[in-house]
Amino acid sequence: DAKTTQPNSMESNEEEPVHLPCNHSTISGTDYIHWYRQLPSQGPEYVIHGLTSNVNNRMASLAIAEDRKSSTLILHRATLRDAAVYYCILREHYGGSQGNLIFGKGTKLSVKP
Amino acid sequence: DARVTQTPRHKVTEMGQEVTMRCQPILGHNTVFWYRQTMMQGLELLAYFRNRAPLDDSGMPKDRFSAEMPDATLATLKIQPSEPRDSAVYFCASGLSDRTRGLELFFGEGSRLTVL
Repeated sequence: DAKTTQPNSMESNEEEPVHLPCNHSTISGTDYIHWYRQLPSQGPEYVIHGLTSNVNNRMASLAIAEDRKSSTLILHRATLRDAAVYYCILREHYGGSQGNLIFGKGTKLSVKP
Repeated sequence: DARVTQTPRHKVTEMGQEVTMRCQPILGHNTVFWYRQTMMQGLELLAYFRNRAPLDDSGMPKDRFSAEMPDATLATLKIQPSEPRDSAVYFCASGLSDRTRGLELFFGEGSRLTVL
């Protein structure tokens, strides 16, 4: 599995934008970039995914570098509820055993009121 | 709301006992994952099924763990015999995997296992 590198922790102020970086320099052409997050005492939840183009949904935006070796998850206005561990994961598109999702350590985001 | 249901939510058992955890995936989903989470190791993938067939169980200790999908509405994870180092939160997740999109997994609330 191609690996990702994320900062261990980040801090943000409430109602300000947050940019969570992820490096994946060994990404292959068929790897999708996924983001999940895990709130305290809960299971992980899906945030967003993309392949080449930037993506937006109701939760966040995903900005993918042109060479695809890095991406950034953007929370447009952080709330206290966004305090969580954010995981950046690569998944080979519909591969056999390579189609699994391997979680790393993620980035622990703290949001200050 | 459709959700992944896991049972039991909490289980305390003694070393050597058999433990079975159950998961009901969301109706229509064709992909099921089992993960284990501890403070030290984080989220570890144990098993991965698509259309009920096991595709990857390389993260699972084969001598004591087994994972099955007897039918599309039930996934089981069994530990026999259990050991204190198996104490963790076990998550089941399901999703719909096809060639046209990535994979949005829906996670259950987890089964917290304590082995004394």
